[in-house]
Amino acid sequence: NAGVTQTPKFQVLKTGQSMTLQCAQDMNHEYMSWYRQDPGMGLRLIHYSVGAGITDQGEVPNGYNVSRSTTEDFPLRLLSAAPSQTSVYFCASSQGQGIYGYTFGSGTRLTVV
Amino acid sequence: QQQVKQSPQSLIVQKGGISIINCAYENTAFDYFPWYQQFPGKGPALLIAIRPDVSEKKEGRFTISFNKSAKQFSLHIMDSQPGDSATYFCAASRTGFQKLVFGTGTRLLVSP
Repeated sequence: NAGVTQTPKFQVLKTGQSMTLQCAQDMNHEYMSWYRQDPGMGLRLIHYSVGAGITDQGEVPNGYNVSRSTTEDFPLRLLSAAPSQTSVYFCASSQGQGIYGYTFGSGTRLTVV
Repeated sequence: QQQVKQSPQSLIVQKGGISIINCAYENTAFDYFPWYQQFPGKGPALLIAIRPDVSEKKEGRFTISFNKSAKQFSLHIMDSQPGDSATYFCAASRTGFQKLVFGTGTRLLVSP
């Protein structure tokens, strides 16, 4: 049982490049989220999904796109990377609407130069 | 605006001591308050959670105290151990909503 798998673990991008952070879960969880973690700011919600085909914006959605074509996968796309997007990104999944614990992946450390 | 305020930012406790981390929230509709523990290079992991119908929940050395009228909740780690050294996040959410709002985190160091 792998839980939540994120790839890659590390990535360096040049300003203006695009890329996709991958997230997959094997727990049949309906709810999936993307957070970014920055020093002193905790975890901030980027986008979330309550099921396949349904996504919505979180607190800091600008510069990011998501889609949810299957229950298992929830990729995060950076359209045109900026230095302000340098962060650690976490994908999380949950069985229910906040009343169950979130399972987090191990994170992707992204540096934009 | 920050919906969940967490303090202190960092904490040093001697082995065997009590670690206390505090959080305050603004939205009275929140009805689920979890604490997450994060070790370096890892994702956060659920530690313990409480609903507002109880004032305290204990799991081993970890206790959540909840004060609904003050809109505050805290994590107490009894008999703190070096292995408890990690970053702790409080969070809050509302039943029926996906969004889990996190505090800014507390870096705990338990000295041997």
